Amino acid sequence: QKEVEQDPGPLSVPEGAIVSLNCTYSNSAFQYFMWYRQYSRKGPELLMYTYSSGNKEDGRFTAQVDKSSKYISLFIRDSQPSDSATYLCAMINTGGGNKLTFGTGTQLKVEL
Amino acid sequence: EPEVTQTPSHQVTQMGQEVILRCVPISNHLYFYWYRQILGQKVEFLVSFYNNEISEKSEIFDDQFSVERPDGSNFTLKIRSTKLEDSAMYFCASSEPSGSSYEQYFGPGTRLTVT
Repeated sequence: QKEVEQDPGPLSVPEGAIVSLNCTYSNSAFQYFMWYRQYSRKGPELLMYTYSSGNKEDGRFTAQVDKSSKYISLFIRDSQPSDSATYLCAMINTGGGNKLTFGTGTQLKVEL
Repeated sequence: EPEVTQTPSHQVTQMGQEVILRCVPISNHLYFYWYRQILGQKVEFLVSFYNNEISEKSEIFDDQFSVERPDGSNFTLKIRSTKLEDSAMYFCASSEPSGSSYEQYFGPGTRLTVT
Protein backbone atom coordinates (compact mmCIF):
# COMPACT_ATOMS: atom_id res chain seq x y z
CA GLN A 1 0.00 0.00 0.00
CA LYS A 2 1.38 3.40 -0.96
CA GLU A 3 1.95 5.82 1.91
CA VAL A 4 0.06 8.62 0.14
CA GLU A 5 -2.50 8.04 -2.60
CA GLN A 6 -3.94 10.68 -4.88
CA ASP A 7 -6.12 10.35 -7.95
CA PRO A 8 -4.00 11.62 -10.87
CA GLY A 9 -7.00 12.90 -12.84
CA PRO A 10 -7.14 14.76 -15.10
CA LEU A 11 -10.02 16.66 -13.55
CA SER A 12 -11.78 19.14 -15.83
CA VAL A 13 -14.27 21.69 -14.45
CA PRO A 14 -15.96 24.83 -15.77
CA GLU A 15 -14.87 28.23 -14.54
CA GLY A 16 -16.58 29.16 -11.29
CA ALA A 17 -17.03 25.57 -10.12
CA ILE A 18 -16.08 24.30 -6.67
CA VAL A 19 -13.20 21.85 -6.96
CA SER A 20 -12.54 19.06 -4.48
CA LEU A 21 -9.11 17.43 -4.44
CA ASN A 22 -8.34 14.55 -2.11
CA CYS A 23 -5.62 12.33 -0.73
CA THR A 24 -5.62 9.28 1.47
CA TYR A 25 -2.69 8.04 3.50
CA SER A 26 -1.71 4.98 5.44
CA ASN A 27 0.83 6.26 7.98
CA SER A 28 -1.01 7.44 11.09
CA ALA A 29 2.18 9.21 12.24
CA PHE A 30 1.74 12.00 9.68
CA GLN A 31 0.98 15.25 11.51
CA TYR A 32 1.46 18.05 8.98
CA PHE A 33 -0.53 18.08 5.77
CA MET A 34 0.49 20.33 2.90
CA TRP A 35 -0.96 21.29 -0.43
CA TYR A 36 1.34 22.37 -3.22
CA ARG A 37 0.47 23.64 -6.68
CA GLN A 38 2.77 22.79 -9.57
CA TYR A 39 2.58 24.34 -12.99
CA SER A 40 4.06 22.43 -15.89
CA ARG A 41 7.85 22.14 -15.65
CA LYS A 42 7.97 24.38 -12.54
CA GLY A 43 8.71 23.78 -8.89
CA PRO A 44 5.97 23.00 -6.35
CA GLU A 45 4.48 26.13 -4.77
CA LEU A 46 3.22 25.88 -1.19
CA LEU A 47 -0.47 26.80 -1.01
CA MET A 48 -1.29 26.00 2.59
CA TYR A 49 -0.86 23.46 5.32
CA THR A 50 -2.68 22.19 8.39
CA TYR A 51 -1.49 20.58 11.57
CA SER A 52 -3.38 17.50 12.76
CA SER A 53 -7.13 17.44 12.16
CA GLY A 54 -9.42 20.32 11.28
CA ASN A 55 -10.04 22.94 8.66
CA LYS A 56 -8.04 25.89 7.43
CA GLU A 57 -9.22 28.57 5.04
CA ASP A 58 -7.18 30.97 2.93
CA GLY A 59 -9.10 33.02 0.41
CA ARG A 60 -10.70 30.69 -2.11
CA PHE A 61 -8.88 27.66 -0.70
CA THR A 62 -9.97 25.44 2.19
CA ALA A 63 -7.95 22.51 3.50
CA GLN A 64 -9.54 19.77 5.58
CA VAL A 65 -7.91 16.94 7.49
CA ASP A 66 -9.75 13.91 8.90
CA LYS A 67 -7.13 11.89 10.74
CA SER A 68 -9.65 9.25 11.82
CA SER A 69 -10.26 8.41 8.15
CA LYS A 70 -6.71 9.25 7.03
CA TYR A 71 -8.22 11.54 4.42
CA ILE A 72 -7.37 15.10 3.45
CA SER A 73 -9.07 17.49 1.05
CA LEU A 74 -8.45 20.77 -0.68
CA PHE A 75 -11.45 22.77 -1.86
CA ILE A 76 -11.14 25.57 -4.39
CA ARG A 77 -14.10 27.94 -4.64
CA ASP A 78 -14.90 30.03 -7.71
CA SER A 79 -12.25 28.21 -9.73
CA GLN A 80 -10.39 30.21 -12.37
CA PRO A 81 -8.50 29.15 -15.52
CA SER A 82 -5.33 30.28 -13.70
CA ASP A 83 -5.98 27.49 -11.15
CA SER A 84 -5.21 24.96 -13.89
CA ALA A 85 -2.19 23.07 -12.57
CA THR A 86 -1.23 19.87 -10.81
CA TYR A 87 -2.08 19.83 -7.11
CA LEU A 88 0.19 17.82 -4.86
CA CYS A 89 -0.61 16.74 -1.35
CA ALA A 90 2.36 16.17 0.93
CA MET A 91 2.75 15.07 4.52
CA ILE A 92 5.29 15.17 7.31
CA ASN A 93 5.89 12.71 10.10
CA THR A 94 7.69 14.93 12.59
CA GLY A 95 9.14 11.87 14.25
CA GLY A 96 10.93 11.19 10.98
CA GLY A 97 12.47 14.61 10.42
CA ASN A 98 11.03 17.23 8.09
CA LYS A 99 10.93 15.25 4.88
CA LEU A 100 7.85 15.65 2.73
CA THR A 101 6.09 12.53 1.47
CA PHE A 102 4.17 13.44 -1.67
CA GLY A 103 1.18 12.07 -3.48
CA THR A 104 1.40 11.67 -7.24
CA GLY A 105 -0.60 14.87 -7.84
CA THR A 106 -3.98 15.59 -9.43
CA GLN A 107 -4.01 17.44 -12.72
CA LEU A 108 -6.74 20.10 -12.74
CA LYS A 109 -8.02 21.99 -15.76
CA VAL A 110 -10.47 24.85 -15.32
CA GLU A 111 -12.16 25.66 -18.60
CA LEU A 112 -13.72 28.93 -19.74
CA GLU B 1 9.47 38.22 -2.48
CA PRO B 2 12.45 35.99 -1.60
CA GLU B 3 12.70 32.78 -3.55
CA VAL B 4 14.86 29.72 -4.00
CA THR B 5 16.91 29.80 -7.20
CA GLN B 6 18.57 26.90 -9.02
CA THR B 7 21.14 26.63 -11.77
CA PRO B 8 21.35 25.41 -14.41
CA SER B 9 17.73 25.09 -15.51
CA HIS B 10 18.69 22.20 -17.79
CA GLN B 11 21.79 20.02 -17.68
CA VAL B 12 22.61 17.40 -20.29
CA THR B 13 25.38 14.96 -19.45
CA GLN B 14 26.73 11.67 -20.68
CA MET B 15 26.39 8.50 -18.67
CA GLY B 16 29.27 8.11 -16.24
CA GLN B 17 29.96 11.82 -15.91
CA GLU B 18 29.69 13.86 -12.73
CA VAL B 19 27.28 16.77 -12.39
CA ILE B 20 26.85 19.47 -9.80
CA LEU B 21 23.46 21.07 -9.35
CA ARG B 22 23.40 24.40 -7.58
CA CYS B 23 20.86 26.08 -5.38
CA VAL B 24 20.64 29.39 -3.56
CA PRO B 25 18.14 28.98 -0.70
CA ILE B 26 16.12 31.83 0.80
CA SER B 27 18.61 33.92 2.75
CA ASN B 28 17.38 33.46 6.35
CA HIS B 29 16.56 29.78 5.93
CA LEU B 30 18.74 27.18 7.60
CA TYR B 31 17.13 23.88 6.57
CA PHE B 32 17.87 22.73 3.03
CA TYR B 33 16.53 19.84 1.00
CA TRP B 34 16.89 18.09 -2.31
CA TYR B 35 14.01 16.27 -3.97
CA ARG B 36 13.71 14.70 -7.39
CA GLN B 37 10.83 14.01 -9.74
CA ILE B 38 11.21 11.46 -12.49
CA LEU B 39 8.95 12.31 -15.43
CA GLY B 40 5.40 11.23 -14.70
CA GLN B 41 6.19 10.17 -11.14
CA LYS B 42 5.81 11.74 -7.73
CA VAL B 43 8.24 14.09 -6.05
CA GLU B 44 10.66 12.06 -3.91
CA PHE B 45 12.78 13.17 -0.95
CA LEU B 46 16.52 12.74 -1.32
CA VAL B 47 18.23 14.50 1.57
CA SER B 48 17.90 17.20 4.20
CA PHE B 49 20.74 19.34 5.51
CA TYR B 50 21.04 21.45 8.64
CA ASN B 51 23.92 22.98 10.53
CA ASN B 52 26.42 21.84 7.89
CA GLU B 53 25.51 18.21 8.05
CA ILE B 54 23.03 15.76 6.61
CA SER B 55 20.07 15.41 8.98
CA GLU B 56 18.20 12.77 7.00
CA LYS B 57 18.57 10.90 3.73
CA SER B 58 16.47 8.49 1.74
CA GLU B 59 17.41 5.09 0.35
CA ILE B 60 17.88 6.78 -3.02
CA PHE B 61 20.66 8.97 -1.61
CA ASP B 62 23.50 6.47 -1.77
CA ASP B 63 27.25 6.93 -2.23
CA GLN B 64 26.63 8.27 -5.73
CA PHE B 65 25.23 11.46 -4.22
CA SER B 66 26.70 14.13 -1.97
CA VAL B 67 25.66 17.56 -0.76
CA GLU B 68 27.66 20.56 0.28
CA ARG B 69 27.23 24.11 1.45
CA PRO B 70 30.45 25.55 0.06
CA ASP B 71 29.76 29.10 1.20
CA GLY B 72 27.11 31.17 2.99
CA SER B 73 24.67 31.18 0.11
CA ASN B 74 25.02 28.09 -2.11
CA PHE B 75 23.83 24.54 -1.55
CA THR B 76 24.93 21.91 -4.05
CA LEU B 77 24.03 18.36 -5.04
CA LYS B 78 26.77 16.32 -6.68
CA ILE B 79 25.91 13.20 -8.62
CA ARG B 80 28.85 10.99 -9.54
CA SER B 81 28.92 8.42 -12.35
CA THR B 82 25.52 9.43 -13.65
CA LYS B 83 23.18 6.73 -14.93
CA LEU B 84 20.31 6.92 -17.38
CA GLU B 85 17.86 6.50 -14.51
CA ASP B 86 19.19 9.65 -12.85
CA SER B 87 17.38 11.66 -15.51
CA ALA B 88 14.78 13.71 -13.59
CA MET B 89 13.86 17.15 -12.30
CA TYR B 90 15.86 17.97 -9.20
CA PHE B 91 14.31 20.44 -6.80
CA CYS B 92 16.01 22.29 -4.01
CA ALA B 93 13.91 23.52 -1.08
CA SER B 94 14.55 25.48 2.08
CA SER B 95 12.73 26.28 5.31
CA GLU B 96 13.10 28.57 8.32
CA PRO B 97 14.88 27.65 11.55
CA SER B 98 11.76 28.12 13.63
CA GLY B 99 8.25 26.85 14.22
CA SER B 100 7.64 27.34 10.49
CA SER B 101 10.36 24.89 9.58
CA TYR B 102 7.74 22.61 8.07
CA GLU B 103 6.98 25.17 5.36
CA GLN B 104 9.35 24.16 2.61
CA TYR B 105 9.77 26.48 -0.35
CA PHE B 106 10.89 25.00 -3.62
CA GLY B 107 13.07 26.29 -6.40
CA PRO B 108 12.14 26.00 -10.09
CA GLY B 109 14.20 22.85 -10.52
CA THR B 110 17.05 21.61 -12.70
CA ARG B 111 16.14 19.20 -15.46
CA LEU B 112 18.91 16.60 -15.67
CA THR B 113 19.11 14.56 -18.83
CA VAL B 114 21.60 11.69 -18.89
CA THR B 115 22.34 10.32 -22.36
